[in-house]
Amino acid sequence: EVQLVESGGGLVQPGGSLRLSCEASGFTFSSYEMNWVRQAPGMGLEWVSYISSSGSTIHYADSVKGRFTISRDNAKNSLYLQMNSLRAEDTAVYYCARDWIGDGMDVWGQGTTVTVSS
Amino acid sequence: QSVLTQPPSVSGAPGQRVTISCTGSSSNIGAGYDVHWYQQLPGTAPKLLIYANTNRPSRVPDRFSGSKSGTSASLAITGLQAEDEADYYCQSYDSSLSGHVVFGGGTKLTVL
Repeated sequence: EVQLVESGGGLVQPGGSLRLSCEASGFTFSSYEMNWVRQAPGMGLEWVSYISSSGSTIHYADSVKGRFTISRDNAKNSLYLQMNSLRAEDTAVYYCARDWIGDGMDVWGQGTTVTVSS
Repeated sequence: QSVLTQPPSVSGAPGQRVTISCTGSSSNIGAGYDVHWYQQLPGTAPKLLIYANTNRPSRVPDRFSGSKSGTSASLAITGLQAEDEADYYCQSYDSSLSGHVVFGGGTKLTVL
């Protein structure tokens, strides 16, 4: 079964850091580009970051640029999001999503919740 | 405020047809970028519903269809069913934005 499972969410104070992980199974992870997408409480979807299959190309939304770092370990079938200098507005459910060769995001994880609060 | 504009809500009775619009501009949909649609049922992760403007993944019923024209795209749902009640998001790419990926604000579909 094709699956993505996120972990690493939790409660963190403003200015703090958190590292999210996304473990892939059921498909050849190293062949796919990946994304992080977040959803603040009661709000819509917001794309956060993209990484190519090899990790050589990376993009960020302006709202997280300079604070978040996306990475991947194809040997471990895992995607990561290092989040630093967290703000209250970063509070959201964070999803990892497989990029289907430019035809949308066809596989999504169940999400992990990040709460930034003092 | 997303660069892709969707109506906040639409509604319809069972069996009816509803459409959800996604309006962009010359830097996104109008530039020729594909539009994808996602369905998010309450409390769950989004699912890809329509890809590349008009295509349905095999698991998606043919009651769902997509179209694109100029700077806009639309999702149509025919034979509305109670289980279609969900949030729907369009997604495309915008050359003026960092990373290019953009979602619409989302539309809440209520089945009356």
